[in-house]
Amino acid sequence: GAVVSQHPSWVICKSGTSVKIECRSLDFQATTMFWYRQFPKQSLMLMATSNEGSKATYEQGVEKDKFLINHASLTLSTLTVTSAHPEDSSFYICSARSSAYYEQYFGPGTRLTVT
Amino acid sequence: AQSVSQHNHHVILSEAASLELGCNYSYGGTVNLFWYVQYPGQHLQLLLKYFSGDPLVKGIKGFEAEFIKSKFSFNLRKPSVQWSDTAEYFCAVNGGSQGNLIFGKGTKLSVKP
Repeated sequence: GAVVSQHPSWVICKSGTSVKIECRSLDFQATTMFWYRQFPKQSLMLMATSNEGSKATYEQGVEKDKFLINHASLTLSTLTVTSAHPEDSSFYICSARSSAYYEQYFGPGTRLTVT
Repeated sequence: AQSVSQHNHHVILSEAASLELGCNYSYGGTVNLFWYVQYPGQHLQLLLKYFSGDPLVKGIKGFEAEFIKSKFSFNLRKPSVQWSDTAEYFCAVNGGSQGNLIFGKGTKLSVKP
């Protein structure tokens, strides 16, 4: 099946710094990538949708200047958490979908801890 | 807005017991329905999906789900659970405005050996 990777899997950063998370589709071209956030014991909430070569579409309540998303190629999307604060600590999960297949494939997630 | 509700937050079963996890969605259009499993420390994996056709869908690891359109339900079942089925189970519908999945809050399944 299709494989999606995320890097890093776990990151700790100090408050005020920025963190970049990569999401890669390893064996297919992802025309659309989704970024979700999962709080402990809660469900996944969509943060933003990115289409290759276009600006990301953010969900209501998600600050686009804080969570910068770039989908520069058909196999890579990045999420940068700028000026991170402890309340940004969470589990960030990406998923990818190709134009050929309706199904989404999920990455393993990145656990961000901001101290 | 579309939503997915999972009735049980935490289910505890003994091995060999039968399992049924409830899932209801609110979406009036054509739906694609999914069940995902997240084992401890691992990423989401697709258990099964329904797009069209036979409303009884069989997935991996002996799981199945039945789509009942009149009840807006897509319950997950397994006749006999194993300790290795201990995980969090998420129901999802492809009903987001961006084509994204909308997830239920998840049901934690604990199977006692």
